[in-house]
Formats: sequence, structure tokens, C-alpha cells
Amino acid sequence: DSGVTQTPKHLITATGQRVTLRCSPRSGDLSVYWYQQSLDQGLQFLIQYYNGEERAKGNILERFSAQQFPDLHSELNLSSLELGDSALYFCASSAGDESPLHFGNGTRLTVT
Amino acid sequence: GENVEQHPSTLSVQEGDSAVIKCTYSDSASNYFPWYKQELGKGPQLIIDIRSNVGEKKDQRIAVTLNKTAKHFSLHITETQPEDSAVYFCAAKGDVWGKFQFGAGTQVVVTP
Repeated sequence: DSGVTQTPKHLITATGQRVTLRCSPRSGDLSVYWYQQSLDQGLQFLIQYYNGEERAKGNILERFSAQQFPDLHSELNLSSLELGDSALYFCASSAGDESPLHFGNGTRLTVT
Repeated sequence: GENVEQHPSTLSVQEGDSAVIKCTYSDSASNYFPWYKQELGKGPQLIIDIRSNVGEKKDQRIAVTLNKTAKHFSLHITETQPEDSAVYFCAAKGDVWGKFQFGAGTQVVVTP
């Protein structure tokens, strides 16, 4: 158990809809990362937050947004969903710059 | 930015044999190289890591080597067992704070 909690585990929704994915980092970790993993694809970095502030942005679509709250949990909002958004979305947390990432078990999003 | 290439994409080995996965990186400022194992339905799990001031690190049946001059690093699994079957990802952290770049992954299948 990595200590990173993601909810929900599965999400099925229709095109055009909006969903929110939630992540609770490991206790004490200030940094949260979001990754997308499509079928047979690697881990695509979306965005990173550190102590409530955005730190780095990757290949995140404008339809997607995220935030990290004062209690350090983070939410990833996906809107105007398309079939191609179907994927596993992982959250990871780390304690700091020289620390490894610890991943949650992901949210599987299916857009129909 | 950092680019990480990982080979092979699939690797089939007989139980008891060794498995080697290789990664190359582009950013000479990269200083931290973790390896992750992802089992079906789970998030990537850190299995071993190495920093740029070390050439080799070993943990039981798993070892990682780093060649900074050639900008490549490798994962070695000895005496493979069926439970080693999984997807393995290498990663490199560049000079941008906390930003990790992942390889595309290697599907390892250990046959009894």
C-alpha cells in the first residue's frame, strides 16, 4: 500500500459530461502529480502541485483542470469528455524534490 | 525537455533466467532514476532507484546500473519468478523541480 488514495476506482460517463477525480496524498507529502495512462500507453504527465500551488504542467488539455486544497488533497476535473479521454488516471505524491513518487491505484475512466 | 527511451517493449524469459531492461535519457542534468513495477489493476510501485552520484545499486534479486557518460541506466532482475511478471517503467528526473519523465514501459512475462 503506497498510502496514496484515489477515488473513485471506476467511473463510467457519457461524452460531453464532466467528472472529478480525487486524490489524497501520503501523510506528510506536499507534492501531488497527475498522470494519464491510456491503453498500451505509458504514463503521460498532466500536472503537478506543491503545497497548493501549481508547479509544472505537462500535456494537459484545456478541458482538464486541477487544484490542490489546503488539506493537500487534490482534484482533477475533466470536462466536455470525449471518447479518447477514456484512460487510467493516476495520482502520485512525493515528499520533496529528491524524493520518489508514490502512486495510487488509479481511477479508470470510461467515456461512452 | 527530458526524453526517456526504454527497451525492449516486451520481454519473455524462462523462470530462473535473468531479465535486463535498458533506458536512455537525454538531459545530462538528470540526477535521479527510479524504476517502477506495475501489476494489472494497480498503480506503479517503486522497486528501486539510483542517484547520479552512484554507479550501481542492488536490492536482493534486483539491481540498477547507471552510466552517466553514456546517459543510460538498466534494470537487472536475476533468478526471475512468475511474480516478476508485470510492466516495468524507468524514469528520470531532470533539472526542473520534481518533474519526472517516464519510459514507455516493458511488459515482462516470466514463464514457468
